[in-house]
Amino acid sequence: EIVLTQSPATLSLSPGDTATLSCRASQSISAFLAWYQQKPGQAPRLLIFDATNRATDVPARFSGRGSGTDFTLTISSLEPEDFAVYYCQQRYNWPLCSFGQGTRLEIK
Amino acid sequence: EVQLVQSGAEVKKPGESLRISCKGSGYGFTTSWIAWVRQQPGKGLEWVGTIYPADSNTRYSPSFQGQVTISVDKSISTAYLQWSSLRASDTAIYYCAKADWQYYFNFWGQGALVTVSS
Repeated sequence: EIVLTQSPATLSLSPGDTATLSCRASQSISAFLAWYQQKPGQAPRLLIFDATNRATDVPARFSGRGSGTDFTLTISSLEPEDFAVYYCQQRYNWPLCSFGQGTRLEIK
Repeated sequence: EVQLVQSGAEVKKPGESLRISCKGSGYGFTTSWIAWVRQQPGKGLEWVGTIYPADSNTRYSPSFQGQVTISVDKSISTAYLQWSSLRASDTAIYYCAKADWQYYFNFWGQGALVTVSS
């Protein structure tokens, strides 16, 4: 079973700042990683797939990097609507998959 | 328009059985994997399992294997998640999600709250 570990658990920043979220896999998963955003009371939303590709209608301030075991989601110039919980998900051994435990991005 | 419409909230007692549903529309239901994802109150997302409707090929997370059953009725484009004996720890929101051709979840149902309490 592939375990994804996200850090930090909580990130406190201000609008306009840059957020850097990390996801580490317990084994190499190539680039088979996605990032999701979840706001309170809503279903998750796909932001990034295959580590670096933005999903449809995702603003350019969201970017993903990484391969192997270490991945990063960067959100530049934070907007008020970006404060949410972010999850990484791997699909390296599809149809098995797994999620990280999440990073809460909160307003400082 | 792609839609995944889930059944409504349920309140059950420990030991009772339950089946919740997820009806897909606006896409080729049989040729897109559907997953179930659990979110316990105040917690993160947990992958429960995934089914391929065309042949009912199903895989489960080790944490949920033997605890739930995932199935599908192709004739009505509906996937199911069921329990034979609920526990309080099953209290959660359960989402269904459709995988795209690259096996990421690009569409999600609205979620179904399951509450198990005596």
